[in-house]
This record gives sequence, C-alpha cells and structure tokens, in this order.
Amino acid sequence: KAGVTQTPRYLIKTRGQQVTLSCSPISGHRSVSWYQQTPGQGLQFLFEYFSETQRNKGNFPGRFSGRQFSNSRSEMNVSTLELGDSALYLCASSLASGTSTYNEQFFGPGTRLTVL
Amino acid sequence: KQEVTQIPAALSVPEGENLVLNCSFTDSAIYNLQWFRQDPGKGLTSLLLIQSSQREQTSGRLNASLDKSSGRSTLYIAASQPGDSATYLCAVAGSQGNLIFGKGTKLSVKP
Repeated sequence: KAGVTQTPRYLIKTRGQQVTLSCSPISGHRSVSWYQQTPGQGLQFLFEYFSETQRNKGNFPGRFSGRQFSNSRSEMNVSTLELGDSALYLCASSLASGTSTYNEQFFGPGTRLTVL
Repeated sequence: KQEVTQIPAALSVPEGENLVLNCSFTDSAIYNLQWFRQDPGKGLTSLLLIQSSQREQTSGRLNASLDKSSGRSTLYIAASQPGDSATYLCAVAGSQGNLIFGKGTKLSVKP
C-alpha cells in the first residue's frame, strides 16, 4: 500500500510570492492534516480536512489556506510569503470516521519550503 | 491549553543499552498518544499508537506506556542499535483530533 506522498519535495520562493503544496493520502484515508515544522516552534498544526470540508484549524494567519478534493487529495496554499514561512510542511492522513479523527496518523516526507 | 514536554532533549548511549524516553502532557483529557521517529530532513514514521483506554503498546523492541492520570508516557527501547539514532517525537490527540507535539528527544546510539 502506497504511503502519503507530497509534492514538490523542495521549493525555493521569494518574499511576497505565493506557493501551493500538494498531498495525496493513503488510499482509503479520508482525513488530511497539515503541519508546519520549524527549528524554533517545532511541529504546529495548520488545519485538517475531511470529506472536502475544513474540520479543524490551528492558530495561523489567513495567508495559510487549504482545500481537499473529492478523491481526498489536499492542497495547501500560502500567499504573500514571508521569511518566517520557511519550514518543512508535513501532511498526514488517517482513516477517521465521520465524527472522529482519533485514528493513527501517517505522515508524508514533507515539502521543504525556503523563502528568500 | 495542552502542552507536551519531552525529556531529555538529547541522549547519547552505547550500542546494546536499554533506554527510556519520557513524555509528559498537561491535560489528561486526551484521546490517544502517538510516538514517532524522525530522521534528519525526513517525515515522521509512526512507531506506536496508544488509545486513551490502553496502558501500553508493544512493537518489536519498542514498548510505550501511558498513564493518563499523571500525564505521562514512556517509550522503552530495548537493546539499542546505531540504526535507532533519530529524533523521537511524542504527540497527543485532544478533543479536536489534531496532534500536539513535544519538541522531541534526539537519540544517538554509538557503535
């Protein structure tokens, strides 16, 4: 069974640009969550999507947005990039029932974003 | 607000030693706790998931315990090997389902 895949693996952007990252969950998984990892803050939750709906959101500015498609693939978008957005962006998928997301989460390899 | 702490931040041991990594959390109202491994520059590999109703889980040389009432979990690694060198992360799932992570313990196993 294929794992969680993320594209691209590496990105270099300049301040003010926008970027779109993609995540394909494990087949059959309906929940996709996004996390940001930085050396200073560690891993922080961005948002979670289930059945094309954002079900949960972390404490990030509105420049960070996402969406989920009918095949459960998800994208996250960051607009007006800032230097502080440089990070490893990780996507995780889980089975998750309609009312619970307490299943085991499986992570992808991440996208390393560098903002110059 | 849930906070997760991992001690120690770094640990170096000789090969073959048994070791324990610690994780503590401030709010005992968790739904599950998950231990992950992260190699440099890579994503997270799930090691063990303990549901809130469970006390421990085992996988090979790994054993994780959970004491919700005291807000603690431990990851026990038996007979450590150089290949176990990585950062180990503990994460708890709260009422909304998202994971709240500790900062990790960086383990180095010397041959």
